[in-house]
Amino acid sequence: EAGVTQFPSHSVIEKGQTVTLRCDPISGHDNLYWYRRVMGKEIKFLLHFVKESKQDESGMPNNRFLAERTGGTYSTLKVQPAELEDSGVYFCASSPLFSRGDTDTQYFGPGTRLTVL
Amino acid sequence: GNSVTQMEGPVTLSEEAFLTINCTYTATGYPSLFWYVQYPGEGLQLLLKATKADDKGSNKGFEATYRKETTSFHLEKGSVQVSDSAVYFCALSLFSGGYNKLIFGAGTRLAVHP
Repeated sequence: EAGVTQFPSHSVIEKGQTVTLRCDPISGHDNLYWYRRVMGKEIKFLLHFVKESKQDESGMPNNRFLAERTGGTYSTLKVQPAELEDSGVYFCASSPLFSRGDTDTQYFGPGTRLTVL
Repeated sequence: GNSVTQMEGPVTLSEEAFLTINCTYTATGYPSLFWYVQYPGEGLQLLLKATKADDKGSNKGFEATYRKETTSFHLEKGSVQVSDSAVYFCALSLFSGGYNKLIFGAGTRLAVHP
C-alpha cells in the first residue's frame, strides 16, 4: 500500500510569487489534513478535509492560503502571494473515517520544504 | 487551551545510554497521546500511542505511559542506538465531530554517537 505522497519535496520561490503544493493521501482515506512547521517550532494544524469538504480551516494563517480537494482524492495548497514568513515544512496527513478504521492514527507524508526569499 | 510541552533539545547521548524525553500536556477532555518520529530526510512516522490513562504505548524498544495525574507522556528507551538519531514529537489529539486534529510539541532532536 502506497503511503502519503507530497510534491514537490522542496520549493524555493521569491516573495510575491505563487506556489502550489500537492498531497496524495493513502487510497481510501477520506480524512486529509495539512500541517506546517515553521522555523523549528511546533507542527501546527492548518486545515482538515473530509472527502472534498473542508471541515475545519481554523489554522489557516490568512487568505493568501487556499486549499482544495476536488473529487475528494488529492489536495492542493496554494500560497499566493508568498511572504517570507510562509517558509517552513508543510506536511500532509490522512486517515480513514471513524466508521472505517482507526481514525485516531494519522499517516504523514514526507513534507514539502518551502523557502521564500 | 490544548497544548503540548516537551523538553528542548538537542539531546546528545552515547550508544546504549538510557533515554528520557519529557512531555507534558494541557487538554480539555480526554485526549489520545502520541509520539511521532522524523528520521533525517524522511517524513513523520507514528512511533507509539496511548488512548487512555495508564495505557502504555511501546514500539522498537521505546515506551511511554499515559499519566493523567501528572498530565505527562514521557518517552523512554533503555538502550539507544545510533539509528535512533531523529527528531521526536509529542502530540495529543481530541476526537470531536468525527475526526481528530493533532496538537504537537516543538520537537526534540536526539543525536546518538557511537
